[in-house]
Amino acid sequence: ETGVTQSPTHLIKTRGQQVTLRCSSQSGHNTVSWYQQALGQGPQFIFQYYREEENGRGNFPPRFSGLQFPNYSSELNVNALELDDSALYLCASSLTWDRGLHFGPGTRLTVT
Amino acid sequence: DQQVKQNSPSLSVQEGRISILNCDYTNSMFDYFLWYKKYPAEGPTFLISISSIKDKNEDGRFTVFLNKSAKHLSLHIVPSQPGDSAVYFCAAANTGNQFYFGTGTSLTVIP
Repeated sequence: ETGVTQSPTHLIKTRGQQVTLRCSSQSGHNTVSWYQQALGQGPQFIFQYYREEENGRGNFPPRFSGLQFPNYSSELNVNALELDDSALYLCASSLTWDRGLHFGPGTRLTVT
Repeated sequence: DQQVKQNSPSLSVQEGRISILNCDYTNSMFDYFLWYKKYPAEGPTFLISISSIKDKNEDGRFTVFLNKSAKHLSLHIVPSQPGDSAVYFCAAANTGNQFYFGTGTSLTVIP
């Protein structure tokens, strides 16, 4: 069983640029969630996709957008990067809530 | 506004003893609760879940207790092992999709 994978592992961008992060969900999982984890904090919910439709969104501005593809993989796009966007971005796939969200290793984004 | 709180940033326990990690929440609508552990440079790993219709769930060395009236849950690890040393997060949701996480408790199990 293949786990959740994310790419790239690390990324450095300049303020104002755009970035795309990618996630492959665990085999059979049709739901993907994205979380942002700042240093010393717990993960914060960005949004969730279920069968290619957005299925919930946290308190993040519209410059954070996403996609889910027919194979359930997903992208997180962030436009007009700000210094505060520097964080670990975690993707998690799931089937049912009680089996938990299965997280990938994350993408460490640094905005300078 | 932090809806899920883990008030103990760190905890040290001797190997073989019980580790108790605590979590409080403010939203009475939360019905779904998860515990995770996280090692450095890895994503969080799911440990155990509980819904509001239960007050206890057990999986091997891990037991989660839920006290809805107190809006409190705890994770018990018995016996604690050095490999359990990690940061532990609790998370809660009311619909099963948007989980709110605490800030984590760093557990150190001393051999």
